Amino acid sequence: EAGVAQSPRYKIIEKRQSVAFWCNPISGHATLYWYQQILGQGPKLLIQFQNNGVVDDSQLPKDRFSAERLKGVDSTLKIQPAKLEDSAVYLCASSRPGQGVEQFFGPGTRLTVL
Amino acid sequence: TQLLEQSPQFLSIQEGENLTVYCNSSSVFSSLQWYRQEPGEGPVLLVTVVTGGEVKKLKRLTFQFGDARKDSSLHITAAQPGDTGLYLCAVREAGSYQLTFGKGTKLSVIP
Repeated sequence: EAGVAQSPRYKIIEKRQSVAFWCNPISGHATLYWYQQILGQGPKLLIQFQNNGVVDDSQLPKDRFSAERLKGVDSTLKIQPAKLEDSAVYLCASSRPGQGVEQFFGPGTRLTVL
Repeated sequence: TQLLEQSPQFLSIQEGENLTVYCNSSSVFSSLQWYRQEPGEGPVLLVTVVTGGEVKKLKRLTFQFGDARKDSSLHITAAQPGDTGLYLCAVREAGSYQLTFGKGTKLSVIP
Protein backbone atom coordinates (compact mmCIF):
# COMPACT_ATOMS: atom_id res chain seq x y z
CA GLU A 1 0.00 0.00 0.00
CA ALA A 2 1.46 3.36 -1.00
CA GLY A 3 1.99 5.83 1.81
CA VAL A 4 1.14 9.50 2.04
CA ALA A 5 2.91 11.45 -0.69
CA GLN A 6 4.02 15.05 -0.34
CA SER A 7 5.77 17.49 -2.63
CA PRO A 8 8.01 19.30 -2.81
CA ARG A 9 10.30 17.83 -0.16
CA TYR A 10 12.20 21.09 0.26
CA LYS A 11 11.40 24.72 -0.50
CA ILE A 12 13.36 27.91 0.10
CA ILE A 13 11.64 31.25 -0.41
CA GLU A 14 12.06 34.84 0.67
CA LYS A 15 9.70 36.48 3.11
CA ARG A 16 6.53 37.93 1.60
CA GLN A 17 6.62 35.34 -1.22
CA SER A 18 3.93 32.70 -1.68
CA VAL A 19 4.33 28.95 -1.49
CA ALA A 20 2.10 25.90 -1.93
CA PHE A 21 2.45 22.33 -0.72
CA TRP A 22 0.71 19.27 -2.13
CA CYS A 23 -0.44 16.09 -0.40
CA ASN A 24 -1.84 12.83 -1.75
CA PRO A 25 -3.25 10.68 1.08
CA ILE A 26 -3.46 6.91 1.32
CA SER A 27 -6.18 5.58 -0.96
CA GLY A 28 -9.49 5.24 0.87
CA HIS A 29 -8.56 7.55 3.75
CA ALA A 30 -11.35 10.09 4.12
CA THR A 31 -9.61 12.17 6.79
CA LEU A 32 -6.64 14.39 5.96
CA TYR A 33 -4.57 16.53 8.30
CA TRP A 34 -1.96 19.26 7.84
CA TYR A 35 0.54 19.79 10.66
CA GLN A 36 3.28 22.35 11.19
CA GLN A 37 6.43 21.16 12.97
CA ILE A 38 8.84 23.90 14.00
CA LEU A 39 12.40 22.79 14.78
CA GLY A 40 12.56 21.39 18.31
CA GLN A 41 8.81 21.05 18.66
CA GLY A 42 6.18 18.40 18.13
CA PRO A 43 3.75 18.64 15.21
CA LYS A 44 0.90 21.14 15.62
CA LEU A 45 -2.39 20.56 13.81
CA LEU A 46 -3.26 23.32 11.35
CA ILE A 47 -6.34 21.90 9.66
CA GLN A 48 -8.32 18.66 9.44
CA PHE A 49 -10.54 17.61 6.52
CA GLN A 50 -13.22 14.95 6.42
CA ASN A 51 -13.62 14.23 2.70
CA ASN A 52 -13.71 17.77 1.24
CA GLY A 53 -15.14 19.46 4.35
CA VAL A 54 -13.19 21.20 7.12
CA VAL A 55 -13.55 19.57 10.56
CA ASP A 56 -11.13 21.76 12.52
CA ASP A 57 -9.11 24.78 11.41
CA SER A 58 -8.94 26.53 14.78
CA GLN A 59 -5.13 26.73 14.73
CA LEU A 60 -4.76 27.81 11.09
CA PRO A 61 -3.53 31.44 10.73
CA LYS A 62 -6.24 32.33 8.28
CA ASP A 63 -4.80 35.72 7.38
CA ARG A 64 -1.99 34.02 5.49
CA PHE A 65 -2.64 30.27 5.38
CA SER A 66 -5.28 28.51 3.29
CA ALA A 67 -5.97 24.89 2.45
CA GLU A 68 -8.33 23.05 0.19
CA ARG A 69 -9.33 19.52 -0.66
CA LEU A 70 -11.69 20.07 -3.55
CA LYS A 71 -12.39 16.49 -4.65
CA GLY A 72 -11.94 14.86 -1.26
CA VAL A 73 -8.60 13.28 -2.22
CA ASP A 74 -5.54 15.49 -2.81
CA SER A 75 -5.00 18.62 -0.77
CA THR A 76 -2.95 21.79 -1.08
CA LEU A 77 -1.76 24.10 1.69
CA LYS A 78 -0.81 27.64 0.73
CA ILE A 79 1.01 30.41 2.56
CA GLN A 80 0.66 33.94 1.24
CA PRO A 81 2.65 35.98 2.17
CA ALA A 82 5.25 33.94 4.06
CA LYS A 83 6.96 35.19 7.22
CA LEU A 84 10.27 34.14 8.74
CA GLU A 85 8.45 32.31 11.54
CA ASP A 86 6.74 30.05 8.98
CA SER A 87 10.02 28.15 8.54
CA ALA A 88 9.11 24.61 9.54
CA VAL A 89 8.34 21.14 8.27
CA TYR A 90 4.78 20.83 6.98
CA LEU A 91 3.46 17.32 7.50
CA CYS A 92 0.42 15.80 5.88
CA ALA A 93 -1.30 12.81 7.45
CA SER A 94 -4.34 10.72 6.59
CA SER A 95 -6.55 8.23 8.37
CA ARG A 96 -9.81 6.38 8.11
CA PRO A 97 -12.68 8.35 9.70
CA GLY A 98 -13.31 8.11 13.45
CA GLN A 99 -11.71 9.00 16.75
CA GLY A 100 -8.65 7.14 17.93
CA VAL A 101 -7.74 5.79 14.51
CA GLU A 102 -4.10 5.65 13.44
CA GLN A 103 -2.81 8.61 11.48
CA PHE A 104 -0.26 7.89 8.75
CA PHE A 105 2.19 10.68 8.07
CA GLY A 106 3.96 11.70 4.90
CA PRO A 107 7.66 12.66 4.86
CA GLY A 108 6.89 16.37 5.05
CA THR A 109 7.96 19.49 3.18
CA ARG A 110 10.79 21.45 4.79
CA LEU A 111 10.16 25.18 4.25
CA THR A 112 12.87 27.77 4.81
CA VAL A 113 11.84 31.42 4.68
CA LEU A 114 14.78 33.83 4.28
CA THR B 1 0.94 26.09 29.39
CA GLN B 2 2.37 23.03 27.65
CA LEU B 3 -0.19 20.26 27.67
CA LEU B 4 2.46 17.53 27.59
CA GLU B 5 5.94 17.67 29.09
CA GLN B 6 8.47 15.23 27.73
CA SER B 7 11.78 14.49 29.41
CA PRO B 8 14.60 14.42 28.88
CA GLN B 9 14.68 16.71 25.87
CA PHE B 10 17.89 15.11 24.58
CA LEU B 11 19.50 11.76 25.37
CA SER B 12 22.73 10.31 24.00
CA ILE B 13 23.69 6.79 25.03
CA GLN B 14 25.96 3.93 23.98
CA GLU B 15 24.65 0.91 22.12
CA GLY B 16 23.48 -1.76 24.55
CA GLU B 17 22.43 0.61 27.33
CA ASN B 18 18.90 0.86 28.72
CA LEU B 19 16.92 4.08 28.87
CA THR B 20 13.57 5.50 29.91
CA VAL B 21 11.82 8.61 28.60
CA TYR B 22 8.78 10.24 30.09
CA CYS B 23 5.62 12.05 29.08
CA ASN B 24 3.78 13.96 31.81
CA SER B 25 0.72 16.16 32.14
CA SER B 26 -1.59 17.53 34.80
CA SER B 27 -4.61 16.47 32.73
CA VAL B 28 -6.28 13.09 32.46
CA PHE B 29 -6.52 11.53 29.01
CA SER B 30 -8.59 8.74 27.57
CA SER B 31 -5.63 7.48 25.54
CA LEU B 32 -2.02 8.28 24.79
CA GLN B 33 0.10 7.45 21.78
CA TRP B 34 3.86 7.15 21.27
CA TYR B 35 5.45 7.93 17.90
CA ARG B 36 9.01 7.72 16.57
CA GLN B 37 10.17 10.21 13.97
CA GLU B 38 13.40 9.68 12.05
CA PRO B 39 15.21 12.58 10.33
CA GLY B 40 13.49 13.60 7.12
CA GLU B 41 10.45 11.45 7.79
CA GLY B 42 7.04 11.82 9.36
CA PRO B 43 6.17 10.32 12.77
CA VAL B 44 5.28 6.62 12.85
CA LEU B 45 2.89 5.27 15.46
CA LEU B 46 4.50 2.81 17.91
CA VAL B 47 1.67 2.16 20.38
CA THR B 48 -1.61 3.40 21.80
CA VAL B 49 -2.35 2.93 25.52
CA VAL B 50 -5.87 3.40 26.84
CA THR B 51 -6.16 1.81 30.30
CA GLY B 52 -4.62 3.22 33.50
CA GLY B 53 -1.68 1.05 34.53
CA GLU B 54 -1.53 -0.63 31.13
CA VAL B 55 1.82 -2.01 30.00
CA LYS B 56 2.53 -2.86 26.37
CA LYS B 57 5.65 -4.40 24.92
CA LEU B 58 6.96 -4.05 21.39
CA LYS B 59 10.15 -6.10 21.09
CA ARG B 60 12.71 -4.17 23.20
CA LEU B 61 10.31 -1.28 23.88
CA THR B 62 8.06 -1.25 26.96
CA PHE B 63 5.31 1.36 27.27
CA GLN B 64 3.42 2.12 30.46
CA PHE B 65 0.38 4.32 31.02
CA GLY B 66 0.16 5.78 34.52
CA ASP B 67 -2.57 4.57 36.88
CA ALA B 68 -4.17 8.02 36.84
CA ARG B 69 -3.85 8.28 33.03
CA LYS B 70 -1.85 11.51 33.30
CA ASP B 71 1.58 10.21 32.39
CA SER B 72 3.43 7.56 30.45
CA SER B 73 6.90 6.12 30.10
CA LEU B 74 8.81 4.40 27.35
CA HIS B 75 11.63 2.06 28.30
CA ILE B 76 14.11 0.72 25.75
CA THR B 77 16.25 -2.28 26.63
CA ALA B 78 19.65 -2.75 25.00
CA ALA B 79 19.35 0.25 22.72
CA GLN B 80 20.46 -0.13 19.09
CA PRO B 81 21.61 2.56 16.63
CA GLY B 82 18.34 1.95 14.77
CA ASP B 83 16.46 3.29 17.79
CA THR B 84 17.86 6.75 17.09
CA GLY B 85 15.12 9.28 16.50
CA LEU B 86 12.65 11.70 18.02
CA TYR B 87 10.18 10.04 20.38
CA LEU B 88 6.89 11.92 20.60
CA CYS B 89 3.93 11.35 22.85
CA ALA B 90 0.50 12.54 21.77
CA VAL B 91 -2.95 12.73 23.33
CA ARG B 92 -6.47 13.37 22.21
CA GLU B 93 -8.60 15.27 24.71
CA ALA B 94 -12.06 13.94 25.44
CA GLY B 95 -14.55 14.90 22.75
CA SER B 96 -11.87 16.27 20.43
CA TYR B 97 -10.55 14.91 17.14
CA GLN B 98 -7.38 16.95 17.59
CA LEU B 99 -4.14 15.13 18.40
CA THR B 100 -1.79 17.18 20.59
CA PHE B 101 1.91 16.31 20.58
CA GLY B 102 4.65 16.90 23.13
CA LYS B 103 7.98 18.40 22.07
CA GLY B 104 9.63 15.01 22.03
CA THR B 105 12.81 13.38 23.28
CA LYS B 106 15.64 13.28 20.78
CA LEU B 107 17.51 10.00 21.25
CA SER B 108 20.93 9.24 19.80
CA VAL B 109 22.34 5.73 20.17
CA ILE B 110 26.07 5.65 19.50
CA PRO B 111 27.51 2.44 18.04
